Amino acid sequence: HVQLVQSGAEVKKPGASVKVSCKASGYTFTNYYLHWVRQAPGQGLEWMGIINPSGGGVSYVEKFQGRVTLTLDTSTSTVYMELTSLKFEDTAMYYCARDGASTVATIAGPYDWGQGTLVTVSS
Amino acid sequence: DIQMTQSPSSLSASVGDRVTITCRASQSIRTYLNWYQQKPGKAPNLLIYAASSLQSGVPSRFSGSGSGTDFTLTISSLQPEDFATYYCQHTYTPPLTFGGGTKVDIK
Repeated sequence: HVQLVQSGAEVKKPGASVKVSCKASGYTFTNYYLHWVRQAPGQGLEWMGIINPSGGGVSYVEKFQGRVTLTLDTSTSTVYMELTSLKFEDTAMYYCARDGASTVATIAGPYDWGQGTLVTVSS
Repeated sequence: DIQMTQSPSSLSASVGDRVTITCRASQSIRTYLNWYQQKPGKAPNLLIYAASSLQSGVPSRFSGSGSGTDFTLTISSLQPEDFATYYCQHTYTPPLTFGGGTKVDIK
């Protein structure tokens, strides 16, 4: 069955960078987009961006442009989300999620979710 | 970017009640809309995709309707396990914005 296993919790200082991994298994990695979504404590869901594992094409929300980078390692079926110049307000749970469409010709939205990675920005 | 507005932001209901949550898009998104349920400390769970299709394994008391700009999630008879927060999300074109969420709690 589909599994998305994310790396463990991180504590970072303002201005630092964090890189969260998401290892996929149970399906053909290159057939499905992967999304990143974050949720600040007590707040709603915020879609951050998406990566095409077949080719590496990405799309980011404008507010994160220049600070977020999605990359992948197809040899290990792993996607990485790096966020730089961290601010206190970046404290959140970060989720990766597999798209529902079994082809990268379309986007269906997040269907299967990882367990989340808590990133805390604290001085 | 397409904005998604959910209402109400919270509601109180009793077991057995019929509950309706609405989601409005800032422009037409045809039927490119998903609904999610999230319980505290857990990842979101997909309930409805493409506005009205029930995800496998989701109880039939959940239903979705709408197209264009106005959408509805209905729970026909609220069960104890349904107390949670619900989000809509459009999938029309990136960025795939979420609504602000609707928290359903016990009256």
